[in-house]
Amino acid sequence: GAVVSQHPSWVICKSGTSVKIECRSLDFQATTMFWYRQFPKQSLMLMATSNEGSKATYEQGVEKDKFLINHASLTLSTLTVTSAHPEDSSFYICSARYRGPLEQYFGPGTRLTVT
Amino acid sequence: TQLLEQSPQFLSIQEGENLTVYCNSSSVFSSLQWYRQEPGEGPVLLVTVVTGGEVKKLKRLTFQFGDARKDSSLHITAAQPGDTGLYLCAGSLPYGQNFVFGPGTRLSVLP
Repeated sequence: GAVVSQHPSWVICKSGTSVKIECRSLDFQATTMFWYRQFPKQSLMLMATSNEGSKATYEQGVEKDKFLINHASLTLSTLTVTSAHPEDSSFYICSARYRGPLEQYFGPGTRLTVT
Repeated sequence: TQLLEQSPQFLSIQEGENLTVYCNSSSVFSSLQWYRQEPGEGPVLLVTVVTGGEVKKLKRLTFQFGDARKDSSLHITAAQPGDTGLYLCAGSLPYGQNFVFGPGTRLSVLP
């Protein structure tokens, strides 16, 4: 149990285009999902908290108009990077809260490269 | 400043050796988790500790949560090359729903 998937696993896009990343909880319902960003050889940085049926809560310094988050169902949250630039290239990882506030399980991550 | 500190940042040891990784904070956490992450993959949950002083064992891994719930340690006995990876601790703050991550300890176990 507690499996989280992400799609795509990697994507290359041109500067100025938008990219959507999906995060799904496969065998459980997740009212809360989290989106993280990780640069090479660094730890995870929380970008936003996604709650089903309501607006996402963004961390300080994260542009909500650039990183659009939609948590439309109890098993799916999406992150759209709008007007992507090379500096948006990173490893994006989602996680889903499972069985209460104390546990979260991570997806395998999505490697975004903006050329 | 980091809410959670981890030490050491890097550790390279020979197969069969023992090691301990530390996770420290001045804040109290309602729970603390340890993850292992391999390159290009998401973190995998190893353990969640909730009670101050709690000790949990997972095969050769022993996890301890400090009495004051501000720190934790991960001890690996007889390390193997398969233990190589980035070890991350993450704390859940009281009354919050977010998890705070430490900077990680990068472990390399040489055969």
